[in-house]
Amino acid sequence: EADIYQTPRYLVIGTGKKITLECSQTMGHDKMYWYQQDPGMELHLIHYSYGVNSTEKGDLSSESTVSRIRTEHFPLTLESARPSHTSQYLCASSEYFALREGSPLHFGNGTRLTVT
Amino acid sequence: ELKVEQNPLFLSMQEGKNYTIYCNYSTTSDRLYWYRQDPGKSLESLFVLLSNGAVKQEGRLMASLDTKARLSTLHITAAVHDLSATYFCAVDMAGGSNYKLTFGKGTLLTVNP
Repeated sequence: EADIYQTPRYLVIGTGKKITLECSQTMGHDKMYWYQQDPGMELHLIHYSYGVNSTEKGDLSSESTVSRIRTEHFPLTLESARPSHTSQYLCASSEYFALREGSPLHFGNGTRLTVT
Repeated sequence: ELKVEQNPLFLSMQEGKNYTIYCNYSTTSDRLYWYRQDPGKSLESLFVLLSNGAVKQEGRLMASLDTKARLSTLHITAAVHDLSATYFCAVDMAGGSNYKLTFGKGTLLTVNP
């Protein structure tokens, strides 16, 4: 059973506020990911990390930033939230080598963000 | 750029019927994943298909992979209401160490009594 946690579960915030979405996993996985998903829509990769101090931008341009100071923690920050950032944000993790062998991503429960 | 196409995007079926969801992808890859997502929830891994001809079954769902045709299918047998969800296929970007998944748009399955 995967152990990956996201907080908060729901967040409603005003335009211009700075927010950080938290993601932690207790499996010691090297790789972590952030996906953005609009309701009823596909997932888009916005950030990923191969390990500590390694972060890359994903396929979908995003105004958010991420950091990976510890293996288990991969927070996502929006410096100035806008209504266009309203979406669901899903965090996932996988073992580096296990993914090569076919181990799936393990997803958190997501953060549903609404910017008013 | 890897593209993943699912069809149909919406599927309404009656309990007891059979149907197939298709997942096509555009470039070479030999790792394909199927996920299930219930409304408002996260994604749950269903199947991992690693090689040409791979077939996996769990309950009323069976997934297969044809890497030469770049096609995976998710077959539903004798559908029940509990299978109502959105099903995503995802494909690995092959080559190198860049293990990122590209997802299809998802198939919203509704099973009616």
